[in-house]
Amino acid sequence: QIQLTQSGAEGRKPGSSVKVSCRASGGTFSSHAVSWVRQAPGQGLEWMGTIIPIFGKPNIAPKFQDRVIITADESTSTAYMELNGLKSEDSAVYYCARVLHGAFDYWGQGTLVSVSS
Amino acid sequence: DIQMTQSPSSLSASVGDRVSISCRTSQNISRYLNWYHQKPGKAPKLLIFGASTLQSGVPSRFSGAGSGTTFTLTISGLQPDDFATYYCQQSFNSLVTFGQGTRLDI
Repeated sequence: QIQLTQSGAEGRKPGSSVKVSCRASGGTFSSHAVSWVRQAPGQGLEWMGTIIPIFGKPNIAPKFQDRVIITADESTSTAYMELNGLKSEDSAVYYCARVLHGAFDYWGQGTLVSVSS
Repeated sequence: DIQMTQSPSSLSASVGDRVSISCRTSQNISRYLNWYHQKPGKAPKLLIFGASTLQSGVPSRFSGAGSGTTFTLTISGLQPDDFATYYCQQSFNSLVTFGQGTRLDI
């Protein structure tokens, strides 16, 4: 059974950074893409970027190009999303999801990131 | 970016009803369209990929149709568990986009 387990909730001040992890178990990590999707309170889903661990080079949404770093560690089957220059509007639940046939078939449980002064 | 427009934005229905949700895209995406539902406080769940292929374990009352720029998700015989928010998502190109969501209420 494939599981994606994310790191716990984080609180940050504006201008700081946060790094969220997503550990995969029960499947082959390296050959499947992993995406990051966020959801602000009461809002819809917003794709941030995708990485295929075996290739390493992420594809990041233009909106986040200058603020997001997405990496993957094949040795620990873990993907990471680091968001820099945090603003209050970055307060959201951040999800990782496995990509299969272009669809997100397995999701992490979500990580709440709160940005407040 | 490919723009996604879902309609309606909200919908009220009863157990046993048949409902349909529409998703239109700003350009032709062939059949690269996926559907999810999401309950409050939970991660989204994949229902249909490739416009009409049912994800493993998803009940057959869910069905998807369409190609090009117009797609439909239909739920035949609503169950209490189906009241949630529904999203479409395109995977035609590497810049993934979602619809704004359709809230399905009792």
